[in-house]
Amino acid sequence: QQQVKQSPQSLIVQKGGISIINCAYENTAFDYFPWYQQFPGKGPALLIAIRPDVSEKKEGRFTISFNKSAKQFSLHIMDSQPGDSATYFCAASSSRLTFGEGTQLTVNP
Amino acid sequence: KAGVTQTPRYLIKTRGQQVTLSCSPISGHRSVSWYQQTPGQGLQFLFEYFSETQRNKGNFPGRFSGRQFSNSRSEMNVSTLELGDSALYLCASSFGTGTTTLHFGNGTRLTVT
Repeated sequence: QQQVKQSPQSLIVQKGGISIINCAYENTAFDYFPWYQQFPGKGPALLIAIRPDVSEKKEGRFTISFNKSAKQFSLHIMDSQPGDSATYFCAASSSRLTFGEGTQLTVNP
Repeated sequence: KAGVTQTPRYLIKTRGQQVTLSCSPISGHRSVSWYQQTPGQGLQFLFEYFSETQRNKGNFPGRFSGRQFSNSRSEMNVSTLELGDSALYLCASSFGTGTTTLHFGNGTRLTVT
């Protein structure tokens, strides 16, 4: 009930391409869905977040798409850059954050 | 504003020992959460403290404990260390409790030999 499933585990994209990471959840009590970005040697940092009353949220090159009926949400990174190479975690929360397993993104120049 | 500070950054201990990790939250933040990060298990929630009270606890054995002081600083303690406790321990602070933005520190890397 508390799990958040994230895919793919790793992703390689060419510079300028679109990176897509998907997450699925079971617990319908979740009401907050953030994405975190983590660089080596650093803690995760909030990238973008969405609540279930909207289907899409865009901030710069980063977009969250949310499908409440399917209990799925995804992160799209447009015009991916080598500096975007990092590990990305989706998460879901009702009273505390439950994280997905993480996706290691590599953007080749 | 200074970010979340965790000390020490690295720690090497042997099995059976105990360890204490420290976390100083962002000024004004009253909630502190602790997570264990390992390659196989990802980010696992340990516990959350708010105003010196434990608000939430994850599924970890009683060897893992924590506390929060009146200045919101927090410590976590792991007793009788096992090899499987080797991990990156992350502390995160937030202004309130529940579904608010977590600000993470850079973690303490614990190695148990």
